[in-house]
This record gives sequence, structure tokens and C-alpha cells, in this order.
Amino acid sequence: QVQLQESGPGLVKPSQTLSLTCTVSGGSISSGSYYWSWIRQPAGKGLEWIGRIYTSGSTNYNPSLKSRVTISVDTSKNQFSLKLSSVTAADTAVYYCAGGVVVAELDYWGQGTLVTVSS
Amino acid sequence: QSALTQPPSASGSPGQSVTISCTGTSSDVGGYNYVSWYQQHPGKAPKLMIYEVSKRPSGVPDRFSGSKSGNTASLTVSGLQAEDEADYYCSSYAGSNNLEVFGTGTKVTVL
Repeated sequence: QVQLQESGPGLVKPSQTLSLTCTVSGGSISSGSYYWSWIRQPAGKGLEWIGRIYTSGSTNYNPSLKSRVTISVDTSKNQFSLKLSSVTAADTAVYYCAGGVVVAELDYWGQGTLVTVSS
Repeated sequence: QSALTQPPSASGSPGQSVTISCTGTSSDVGGYNYVSWYQQHPGKAPKLMIYEVSKRPSGVPDRFSGSKSGNTASLTVSGLQAEDEADYYCSSYAGSNNLEVFGTGTKVTVL
């Protein structure tokens, strides 16, 4: 059974870069036709799709975040990562990593990690 | 890319049915049969309940069913149980630039 676990700083200062890593266990990150995604959820609000990366390295990003987002994959470590630059308080949220095979069908989710943007 | 529209809340008594709508456009819900539904309990990660409009992953009770008509998808929970009380989110493939979009979310209360 594939399991995902997010890791990274829980506190980031305004204007800095938020960096999170998702470690995949129970299977190879580069096997099959999997894609790997990041989703976030501000407290008390809904889910927002951030973007995805395919095992080929191809990426797709939410247009509203595209200029600030980079998703990458490290197959040697079975991890994929999120970088969000120039953060503000509006980027404070629980960040989830997730994975699936078919678009818009996320079968596997991490438990989520809270990132707070504050000085 | 705007969020799909869901009613903020829905409710029903145990044993009854509740249906949640998810309205998008011809560029997302109406254009593709890639609509999913997720259940999220407080403090927990979302769980996939329905994919490709009406398919259930292994382990999801058949009390959960999905459908779509035009630009609106729907999730029906029949025979409501206490554990069905949660937030529910739809999502859809939005083909332009290979994107995804989530719904605004619906809080289901079991009375």
C-alpha cells in the first residue's frame, strides 16, 4: 500500500520560499503511470489544487500560483517536492501531497502539514 | 480557473438520503468524465469516494453514488449513517493546460 508523508518547516517568514518534501513509501515513485500532486487548505476553507508532476518530469500548475510554484521529483530518494516563492500570510495553510494514476483522481494522500507564514 | 460551486451545507436524518451538487462549466465538469468526490473528516486528509463520475474505489460502501448531467455532477449518500458526517469536495479535470479544480465544499450533517 502506497503511503505519503509530508515534511518541512512549519514556519516561514514573509517573502521567503516555502519548501516541502513528500516521501513515498510502499512503492516506487517512478513506477507505472503515477503522477504526484500538491494541494493546500487554509484553515476553515476549501481545497486548492497547486499542481502535479508526472514521472516523466512534466508539470502542470494552478494558473493563480504558476509564477511562484515549482514541483520537482527525486527518484533516487522516492520523494517529490514543492517550492513556493515570495510567500505571504495568504499562503498559510495545511499542505497535502497526493498521488494518482488518472487525472483528477487522487488515490493516495499524506496526512498534511501546517505551514504558517509569519515574521 | 474558478472553483466548482457546491452548496455550503446539506443534512439528513439517519437512514435518509442526501444529494450534493457540483456545478462547473463545459471546460471542466461538462467536458470530461473525470469528476471525483472526496470525503474529509475534521483534521484528516481527504479520502477518494467516487472517481470518473460514478465509480467507487474498493472499500467504499455502495451507499455512495455519483452521476452527472451537463455541467453539474452530483453525489448521493443513501442510508445516511453517523460516520457520513463530514465535508465533501468534488473535483474535475479541466482540460485546458491539463489542470484540476476542486469544488467549494459541502458540510454534510447527520441530524
